[in-house]
Amino acid sequence: EADIYQTPRYLVIGTGKKITLECSQTMGHDKMYWYQQDPGMELHLIHYSYGVNSTEKGDLSSESTVSRIRTEHFPLTLESARPSHTSQYLCASSDPTGGFEQFFGPGTRLTVL
Amino acid sequence: AQSVAQPEDQVNVAEGNPLTVKCTYSVSGNPYLFWYVQYPNRGLQFLLKYITGDNLVKGSYGFEAEFNKSQTSFHLKKPSALVSDSALYFCAVSWRGNTPLVFGKGTRLSVIA
Repeated sequence: EADIYQTPRYLVIGTGKKITLECSQTMGHDKMYWYQQDPGMELHLIHYSYGVNSTEKGDLSSESTVSRIRTEHFPLTLESARPSHTSQYLCASSDPTGGFEQFFGPGTRLTVL
Repeated sequence: AQSVAQPEDQVNVAEGNPLTVKCTYSVSGNPYLFWYVQYPNRGLQFLLKYITGDNLVKGSYGFEAEFNKSQTSFHLKKPSALVSDSALYFCAVSWRGNTPLVFGKGTRLSVIA
């Protein structure tokens, strides 16, 4: 079944740690996105990619980096986590030749102590 | 620049009554408009979209939305609300589908039995 996966679902870590949030999709979509969702609900675009070896920063880069080596995989890395990074992170993908809507993963809830 | 406004943080409606969640947008050219729903601890689920054609679009779970170009609005509606409709609702816009989605701040819908 075509889907989009995120791991881990929940993560609690200490300040200064390096972490990678995983996102994979089995739909063959070229476009993928990372959003940060704060407790006030608002979504902020962090990074996006329009294909392999293509990455762009969004409105809120949040001191993170991404890579897109394979179509299906779009990991997000925080080099040094801070309490201000505590948030929900949502990954999404879309097919520009299809209906343009984005499909979202279940999210990773990150807490930095 | 693209933007979306959801003027109501919270909408309360009695079960069985019609519901409306408001959305207005600002984008030059042809907007692609979307509605998403988010349940607790989940990612966003696609509800419906307007790309072109009939101004009234129907989506999942009995929801519909009307594209009004003169008022730059895309309000979400349902004739008879269910308690299970209680969730967060996000409106989003893209310019011709070629740019990442810009999301509104979200509206929390509460349907009271």
